[in-house]
Order: sequence, then C-alpha cells, then structure tokens
Amino acid sequence: DGGITQSPKYLFRKEGQNVTLSCEQNLNHDAMYWYRQDPGQGLRLIYYSQIVNDFQKGDIAEGYSVSREKKESFPLTVTSAQKNPTAFYLCASSISGRTDTQYFGPGTRLTVL
Amino acid sequence: AQSVSQHNHHVILSEAASLELGCNYSYGGTVNLFWYVQYPGQHLQLLLKYFSGDPLVKGIKGFEAEFIKSKFSFNLRKPSVQWSDTAEYFCAVILIKAAGNKLTFGGGTRVLVKP
Repeated sequence: DGGITQSPKYLFRKEGQNVTLSCEQNLNHDAMYWYRQDPGQGLRLIYYSQIVNDFQKGDIAEGYSVSREKKESFPLTVTSAQKNPTAFYLCASSISGRTDTQYFGPGTRLTVL
Repeated sequence: AQSVSQHNHHVILSEAASLELGCNYSYGGTVNLFWYVQYPGQHLQLLLKYFSGDPLVKGIKGFEAEFIKSKFSFNLRKPSVQWSDTAEYFCAVILIKAAGNKLTFGGGTRVLVKP
C-alpha cells in the first residue's frame, strides 16, 4: 500500500518543548516537503528537500528544523523558538523537481499548551 | 511577490446546483496549475492539474477547470454538485522560473453543499 504516512495524527506539547513530527513515504519520490496549514491562509512552505542529505528553507522556516538522512524519511522538528507552533502540519512528496505534482500525507495536528 | 487568490472563502449551495470557484495568480510566465480538495477529516487530494496543452482539463469526480492565460485564471467548475462535495478546495500554482520553482497555495474555499 503506497503512500505518505505521518505520525502521530494529534500531538500535544507544553510550551518550550521541542517536538518532532514524522513523515515517511514509500513512493520512491526524490523530493519531500513540509507545509503548515492555518485557517484562511492556505498552505505555507516550511522546508523542502529535493534529494537525500540536502534541504532548503521555505517561506516560514524560522523555528523549524529538518533532516533528510534517508530517501523515504523527512522528519520536522518544531523548536521552542517557533512563536506560534499550534497548527496543522502537512508533509508532501513529488517524483523529482519542484515542478512536479505533489502528493500529501494525512497531516499532524500539533497543539502547544 | 507572487500570489494566488481565491476570492470566495465560503460557498454554500444546494445539491444539483452548479459550482464555480475562482482562482487567479499574479505571474506572467509559465505556470503549472493544480486544484486540491480536502474532505472533512481526510488528507489533501489532487483533483486535477494543468501543465500544458488543452486549457480545459477534466479531473476526478466530475470536476473540470479552465486555464485562461490572458486572465491569469484557473477556475474550477462542476455542473451539478452532491452533498459529498462538501470540502475545502485549494488552488495552487507553480511558477516556472530559472531560479527555483515553488508551489504557492491560495487561501482555500470552504464549500458546503446542503442536501
């Protein structure tokens, strides 16, 4: 069963704690992405990676970090430096470059208390 | 700055009514265009896309969209909606540029179809 999985579906953390969101894909896609979805603002790009061991900042990278040690995995860490971390986080992947169609995972809803 | 605009934030209509959702972007070059849908409790799914060729593209579930380059628009249409079309719809655009391409999303339109 191919696709993108994100875990957990819901995540609660105390203010000041770092938290890591998981994203795994078995589509053999080279490129992976992290977006943040807030009501009325659509999706905004946090980080993207076009190949293993390489990643680039998106529009709202401050307070976030990523790694891409394996092709199928692209975890996102929300650090305590992120001022407003409560949001719905979506991971996506595409075959190769950034002009390709992106396919999305089910998302993780993070709530910081 | 590049932007994608979806003018309607909320749309309410009855079953069998026709639906048209507007999408405009601000970029004069080559674009790849997408419509995604997010049903309640489900993940974002691709409805249709346009890269080149016939500007009228057909997607899943009876949806279609028309690319009008002169108007920088990519409006989504469905002639007769069903209750199951209740969802949030996102237009997205990739601006094809020499130095990096980015998928930019509109703010979304929430559609409620009353049975």
